[in-house]
Amino acid sequence: QKEVEQNSGPLSVPEGAIASLNCTYSDRGSQSFFWYRQYSGKSPELIMFIYSNGDKEDGRFTAQLNKASQYVSLLIRDSQPSDSATYLCASGGNQGGKLIFGQGTELSVKP
Amino acid sequence: GAVVSQHPSRVICKSGTSVKIECRSLDFQATTMFWYRQFPKKSLMLMATSNEGSKATYEQGVEKDKFLINHASLTLSTLTVTSAHPEDSSFYICSARDARGGQQETQYFGPGTRLLVL
Repeated sequence: QKEVEQNSGPLSVPEGAIASLNCTYSDRGSQSFFWYRQYSGKSPELIMFIYSNGDKEDGRFTAQLNKASQYVSLLIRDSQPSDSATYLCASGGNQGGKLIFGQGTELSVKP
Repeated sequence: GAVVSQHPSRVICKSGTSVKIECRSLDFQATTMFWYRQFPKKSLMLMATSNEGSKATYEQGVEKDKFLINHASLTLSTLTVTSAHPEDSSFYICSARDARGGQQETQYFGPGTRLLVL
């Protein structure tokens, strides 16, 4: 069974710190990886996607992909209380267009 | 951008009635849309893949006669919950796949529909 694993948390970080969210996947055929943010009671919104090994930066967010280790991470620099949400990791590219979602990591940024 | 709308945002209905939920891609064409449901504090559960002009593909355990999906155009997919019962109460979320620019797998989510069946 193709799986994406995340630590459910909650992960608590102080305001201004770096939040590090991690994700592993089992399907070596996965080609694309996504991070979504979901606020309580709302639907997921796309933060970033990454296809290639290495780092990809967008503002305060950096996605990291290591295909050899089947590992994806999301770093949030200068964390703000407004970043408090559940972060969903997803893999795709080998499931006929479907994405495989992890169970999400709850992040809490304390003022 | 890639905007997906969903209507209605919230619906309350009596047990035994049918409820239709619409999902629209507003600024792009989506040959594929997906329907998910989510229970409180739980992860997304994919129900079905909706393909424009063809039958939907349902995930294991999802009753196709219970959850009717129609994808009549490149911008609209509908989910009808037939003969709804209280156990169908959930947060239903659609997504649309944006294949522009080589982003073959990127899915953008609608705002969701909260269904309460009394």
